[in-house]
Amino acid sequence: KAGVTQTPRYLIKTRGQQVTLSCSPISGHRSVSWYQQTPGQGLQFLFEYFSETQRNKGNFPGRFSGRQFSNSRSEMNVSTLELGDSALYLCASSFGGMSADTQYFGPGTRLTVL
Amino acid sequence: GQQLNQSPQSMFIQEGEDVSMNCTSSSIFNTWLWYKQDPGEGPVLLIALYKAGELTSNGRLTAQFGITRKDSFLNISASIPSDVGIYFCAGQLSGATNKLIFGTGTLLAVQP
Repeated sequence: KAGVTQTPRYLIKTRGQQVTLSCSPISGHRSVSWYQQTPGQGLQFLFEYFSETQRNKGNFPGRFSGRQFSNSRSEMNVSTLELGDSALYLCASSFGGMSADTQYFGPGTRLTVL
Repeated sequence: GQQLNQSPQSMFIQEGEDVSMNCTSSSIFNTWLWYKQDPGEGPVLLIALYKAGELTSNGRLTAQFGITRKDSFLNISASIPSDVGIYFCAGQLSGATNKLIFGTGTLLAVQP
């Protein structure tokens, strides 16, 4: 069974640009969550999508947005990039049950903002 | 952002030694998870705990869900060089499905 895949693996952008990252969940999983990982803040929850609807949201500015498609694939978008947005962006997928739902992570997209 | 208190921050041990790390929180969690992350990769799930007091093993790894639901520990027995990496605990709040709060991480180095 294929794991969670993320594309691209590496990305370099400049301040002010926008970026779109993609995540394909494990087959059969309907929930996709996004996390930002930085040396200073560690792993921080961005948002979760389930059945094309945002179900949970972390404390990030509105520049960070996402969506989920009918095949459960998800994208996250960051607009007006700032230097502090440089991070490893991880997505995790799960079946999406309301309890005891285990998440599996992809390898991440390393975003560098210059 | 919110992070759980995880200790120790780093450990440098000899191959064959046992390792113990723990996480504490001011919040009550429904689920505790332990992940290992290698450089440049995503976290890999090691153990999932779903009930207070639960003790679960996965090979040389053993983890427990604290009775108060505010803490968890992970033990690694007879460490080997491939155990090197960063270990994270993560808790999941009731009613916040799939919103994980992660610990600060424990860097483990194993010398052969």
